[in-house]
Amino acid sequence: GAGVSQSPRYKVTKRGQDVTLRCDPISSHATLYWYQQALGQGPEFLTYFNYEAQPDKSGLPSDRFSAERPEGSISTLTIQRTEQRDSAMYRCASSMTVNTEAFFGQGTRLTVV
Amino acid sequence: DQQVKQNSPSLSVQEGRISILNCDYTNSMFDYFLWYKKYPAEGPTFLISISSIKDKNEDGRFTVFLNKSAKHLSLHIVPSQPGDSAVYFCAASTASGTYKYIFGTGTRLKVLA
Repeated sequence: GAGVSQSPRYKVTKRGQDVTLRCDPISSHATLYWYQQALGQGPEFLTYFNYEAQPDKSGLPSDRFSAERPEGSISTLTIQRTEQRDSAMYRCASSMTVNTEAFFGQGTRLTVV
Repeated sequence: DQQVKQNSPSLSVQEGRISILNCDYTNSMFDYFLWYKKYPAEGPTFLISISSIKDKNEDGRFTVFLNKSAKHLSLHIVPSQPGDSAVYFCAASTASGTYKYIFGTGTRLKVLA
């Protein structure tokens, strides 16, 4: 696609529910990143993929968080048993290769009530 | 531990003057630096980058300076325009290792007409 697309744009969920966020990267991009951004902060790294491989998931805050990119294109971020502290903007970005500039989607704002 | 720091949360500049946004980092392994600009309700957009083998990179009105010994980089915008009003994030990564971008907390630039 022309840019990085994320869905949904907004998600409100009840505490304890599972949520899945979707990212559709720029089609030629091998690398895909997930970031979490709290209000007034910069994006914080969660995990990244190089094609379908996931070399680094060191930023995932707990084992309730997981991400997939099974065919090396679209990726999903799943948060199980959501907690209020999971409320944040979740940003996906993609880049041609590792260590080239990343292009961000508009983000998914998650609110856990 | 904040590895990338933007100590000025906000900056106001008169239209036509120079805007200087600063960023400090602590990890000497960082060797690739980027600046992103973010408008409200949009994802961060890539602005300009610099590799550690350079100390300056220029793109139109935007110039990034890197001082490796001081672990400091700055973004200069000359001349500043009202459309430059946005939040600016600096980010850093290492060529080896995890390739994750570490972001600062952002500086809100307001260019006054």
